[in-house]
Amino acid sequence: KAGVTQTPRYLIKTRGQQVTLSCSPISGHRSVSWYQQTPGQGLQFLFEYFSETQRNKGNFPGRFSGRQFSNSRSEMNVSTLELGDSALYLCASSLEQGGSTEAFFGQGTRLTVV
Amino acid sequence: KQEVTQIPAALSVPEGENLVLNCSFTDSAIYNLQWFRQDPGKGLTSLLLIQSSQREQTSGRLNASLDKSSGRSTLYIAASQPGDSATYLCALMDSSYKLIFGSGTRLLVRP
Repeated sequence: KAGVTQTPRYLIKTRGQQVTLSCSPISGHRSVSWYQQTPGQGLQFLFEYFSETQRNKGNFPGRFSGRQFSNSRSEMNVSTLELGDSALYLCASSLEQGGSTEAFFGQGTRLTVV
Repeated sequence: KQEVTQIPAALSVPEGENLVLNCSFTDSAIYNLQWFRQDPGKGLTSLLLIQSSQREQTSGRLNASLDKSSGRSTLYIAASQPGDSATYLCALMDSSYKLIFGSGTRLLVRP
């Protein structure tokens, strides 16, 4: 059974550009969440999607957006990149929302903004 | 606001030792608690999931406990090996269904 797949693994972008990251969840999983990991702030929640609906959003500016498709694949978009957006972006999928749900993470996309 | 603290921040032990990693949280209204392992530059690997109604879970040499009343969880690693060297993260799922992470414990097991 394939795990959570994130593409691309590495990205280098220039300030002001925009970027799109992709996440394919484990087959059958309908919930996809995104997290940003930086040395200073640790792991912080960005947003969560379930059946194409955003159900929860973290405390990030509107430059960060996402969506989920009917096949549960999700994309995250960051516009007008800033140096501080450099981070490891991690995607997690779970079978369903709720207390018994186990989250499975992908290998992440390392974004460097120069 | 839920806050998750992990102590110690770093730990170095000789191979073969049993060790305990600690995780504390401020709000007992959680849905579950999950322990993860992260190798440098990699994603997170799920180790154990404890549902809010459970007290502990075991997998191989790992045992995790949960005490909601005191706001604590521990991860016990028996007979540590160099391959256990990694950062260990605990995360709580809160009432809004997002994971809130601690800052992690960086473990080094010396051969």
